Amino acid sequence: AQKITQTQPGMFVQEKEAVTLDCTYDTSDPSYGLFWYKQPSSGEMIFLIYQGSYDQQNATEGRYSLNFQKARKSANLVISASQLGDSAMYFCAMSTGNTPLVFGKGTRLSVIA
Amino acid sequence: NAGVTQTPKFQVLKTGQSMTLQCAQDMNHEYMSWYRQDPGMGLRLIHYSVGAGITDQGEVPNGYNVSRSTTEDFPLRLLSAAPSQTSVYFCASSYSVGQGRDEQYFGPGTRLTVT
Repeated sequence: AQKITQTQPGMFVQEKEAVTLDCTYDTSDPSYGLFWYKQPSSGEMIFLIYQGSYDQQNATEGRYSLNFQKARKSANLVISASQLGDSAMYFCAMSTGNTPLVFGKGTRLSVIA
Repeated sequence: NAGVTQTPKFQVLKTGQSMTLQCAQDMNHEYMSWYRQDPGMGLRLIHYSVGAGITDQGEVPNGYNVSRSTTEDFPLRLLSAAPSQTSVYFCASSYSVGQGRDEQYFGPGTRLTVT
């Protein structure tokens, strides 16, 4: 069975600093996709970044990058130059085979001015 | 494109009542899913569909029913509401799953309270 673990219920970061949100995953399927979503207080789910299991390079999308360590089964999200608007819940998720996303429990990020 | 739409946005039910949460997408996506979000639990998959006429159970299917008669619509039925079904419900859709960068598009959510 697929499983996503996010061990940090809450994180604080100073504005303009970088922050890493941890995500580990478990699957026996060699082909999978890893996703990060942001959920602000308004409630909508916003897609941030994707990493495929066969991708050779770490994914980057603007200020977001994914530190993908396949052997350790980790897919940590790095947010550079944090902004106040980055305060939100962040979810790591995985898709394998023919099934939709399996989500972790999330990390609440608070950016401090 | 309207994307993924959900109705209603808010609903209060009494224990034992039934209702249907509506979900529609206009992106011609084959895959549609229903999740529920509870505090501290992340999003958990209730039911999903890989195409019209095909549905399957997710992690927490009990007490819910789905059908997929068209590509566009994927309603979620609560058969006899219970307080444990108080949650925020998200519908999502995607062109495919598990086959590359094909993120799921989420609706705005329905906040359901069962008293």
